[in-house]
Amino acid sequence: AQSVTQLGSHVSVSEGALVLLRCNYSSSVPPYLFWYVQYPNQGLQLLLKYTSAATLVKGINGFEAEFKKSETSFHLTKPSAHMSDAAEYFCAVSDTKGAQKLVFGQGTRLTINP
Amino acid sequence: EAGVVQSPRYKIIEKKQPVAFWCNPISGHNTLYWYLQNLGQGPELLIRYENEEAVDDSQLPKDRFSAERLKGVDSTLKIQPAELGDSAVYLCASSPRTGPAGELFFGEGSRLTVL
Repeated sequence: AQSVTQLGSHVSVSEGALVLLRCNYSSSVPPYLFWYVQYPNQGLQLLLKYTSAATLVKGINGFEAEFKKSETSFHLTKPSAHMSDAAEYFCAVSDTKGAQKLVFGQGTRLTINP
Repeated sequence: EAGVVQSPRYKIIEKKQPVAFWCNPISGHNTLYWYLQNLGQGPELLIRYENEEAVDDSQLPKDRFSAERLKGVDSTLKIQPAELGDSAVYLCASSPRTGPAGELFFGEGSRLTVL
């Protein structure tokens, strides 16, 4: 069975500071990995995805994530936080075999301090 | 291009009452999902459709929940009777392809409060 663990349910950073949101996965087969963002009262929106090509994946809004198989991690980073980045972020894993079924982590709420 | 449309956005009902949620996916998307999102948690899959066929409903509580996707387009999720623990956000998503690498497009969700 696949699972995702997001370390830290709440992360707070200052505007302009580095953003680091942690995600570790468990999968018996090579995974596909995703980061989604959810703004208040809105649906989830895809930030980026890893599908076994380049291990460093660039997404929208200046975010990127690096797939590290040895650490079973897929942490999300952004060099300089902006106030508009305040949202809930979800890491998700999908089985590379069979049909698509995303398993989500519990989410990390990112707060940006002015 | 219109996104995934869900209605109602908000619903408040008394326990034991029935409730239904409607979803219109993005045009041309064959795969449709219903997810349950409890407060402070990530979405959990309830059911997945490929066209009009429910191909994964293992997490759907079939004693009180039902879903349908007639003609392989719109979908309805029903709860009857609702319980206090059903208070949550019900998310609909669609995808243009099968397979694990496809992107899911989510609607804004239907927030249910059961009193």
